Amino acid sequence: AAGVIQSPRHLIKEKRETATLKCYPIPRHDTVYWYQQGPGQDPQFLISFYEKMQSDKGSIPDRFSAQQFSDYHSELNMSSLELGDSALYFCASSSYGQVYEQYFGPGTRLTVT
Amino acid sequence: RKEVEQDPGPFNVPEGATVAFNCTYSNSASQSFFWYRQDCRKEPKLLMSVYSSGNEDGRFTAQLNRASQYISLLIRDSKLSDSATYLCVVGGGGATNKLIFGTGTLLAVQP
Repeated sequence: AAGVIQSPRHLIKEKRETATLKCYPIPRHDTVYWYQQGPGQDPQFLISFYEKMQSDKGSIPDRFSAQQFSDYHSELNMSSLELGDSALYFCASSSYGQVYEQYFGPGTRLTVT
Repeated sequence: RKEVEQDPGPFNVPEGATVAFNCTYSNSASQSFFWYRQDCRKEPKLLMSVYSSGNEDGRFTAQLNRASQYISLLIRDSKLSDSATYLCVVGGGGATNKLIFGTGTLLAVQP
């Protein structure tokens, strides 16, 4: 079965640079969520979108923004990167009919140097 | 205090053992409950949703007690491939669909 696709899988950036992470949800899933998992920590919710509209917002820094496009894929834009932004970034998707069951992509490992 | 609390472990058990994980959550408005499994440096994978009536999937049994705000997972006849971190996850409180993760319990099944 098709899963959530994330790209790139690994990204190395320097401080103050920008990064764009992409997420392609499972086909026919209309809701996308972004989570950040720091080393040795549990995933923390950042932001979510339903039908291209922001549906919820968590502990996302103002330096980050995200959107969902007409084909339901989503992008997380990160600017003025800091060392503390180094983490695994997971995208998850769900279907409105099973709104609480979220399926995660393989993640993007971001390293800021 | 974290919204979802778990014993971090590690739990070291021999193959074939039965192991139980417990979890408590603080938001009584939570509407959905899950166990996810996460292997090192990989994504969380949905193991099972948890319902008040309890549910079973092969060697795995999950229970939810809403009154006590307590969730459990039982693994019977544990196998080497069960070694992973088990995450208790709660979601859907209020108007949000976001998931709140526990810190996870590390399980190591020994041959």
